Amino acid sequence: DAKTTQPNSMESNEEEPVHLPCNHSTISGTDYIHWYRQLPSQGPEYVIHGLTSNVNNRMASLAIAEDRKSSTLILHRATLRDAAVYYCIPTSGGYQKVTFGTGTKLQVIP
Amino acid sequence: DAGVTQSPTHLIKTRGQQVTLRCSPKSGHDTVSWYQQALGQGPQFIFQYYEEEERQRGNFPDRFSGHQFPNYSSELNVNALLLGDSALYLCASSGGRQSSYNEQFFGPGTRLTVL
Repeated sequence: DAKTTQPNSMESNEEEPVHLPCNHSTISGTDYIHWYRQLPSQGPEYVIHGLTSNVNNRMASLAIAEDRKSSTLILHRATLRDAAVYYCIPTSGGYQKVTFGTGTKLQVIP
Repeated sequence: DAGVTQSPTHLIKTRGQQVTLRCSPKSGHDTVSWYQQALGQGPQFIFQYYEEEERQRGNFPDRFSGHQFPNYSSELNVNALLLGDSALYLCASSGGRQSSYNEQFFGPGTRLTVL
């Protein structure tokens, strides 16, 4: 499994953009990059995933470096509900074995 | 759609006992994965079931076993419980004809306490 490095914690002001970085230098060429988040006292929640190209959905954007050794999850306008632990997860294909690391705890300041 | 449901929500057992946790996947999903989350840690992958077979397994001993039924629901069994098995056990579902295998939906978890 590819190893990931994420900041332990980050802070953001409400309604400002947030860029959550992730290094995954040992990622294989066929691994997808998934992001999940876990709100307090809840199960993880899927955010977004990508392979090579940048991706957008209603929740966030994912920017993937050209060499695929890093990626950035972008929340365009942070809300208090976005306070959570964010996990960056390189995922092998097939049956999607998902290996969580320690993640980044995002604090949103009103 | 009820989403992923798990039962029970909380459970207290003593060392050496056996426990069975249950999971019903989101409607239309055919793949179920189980995770263990210790306090303050990220979820750790236990195993994944598809077509009633264990397809992938994480680094967990044989005391952890599972089953998937024809209706895609699943059970996680843990034998000879240890204090270290105390954790939140999460079930996630994905896949099926109208869903992606890339997006897993998680249940709220079962909190297991071993005394």
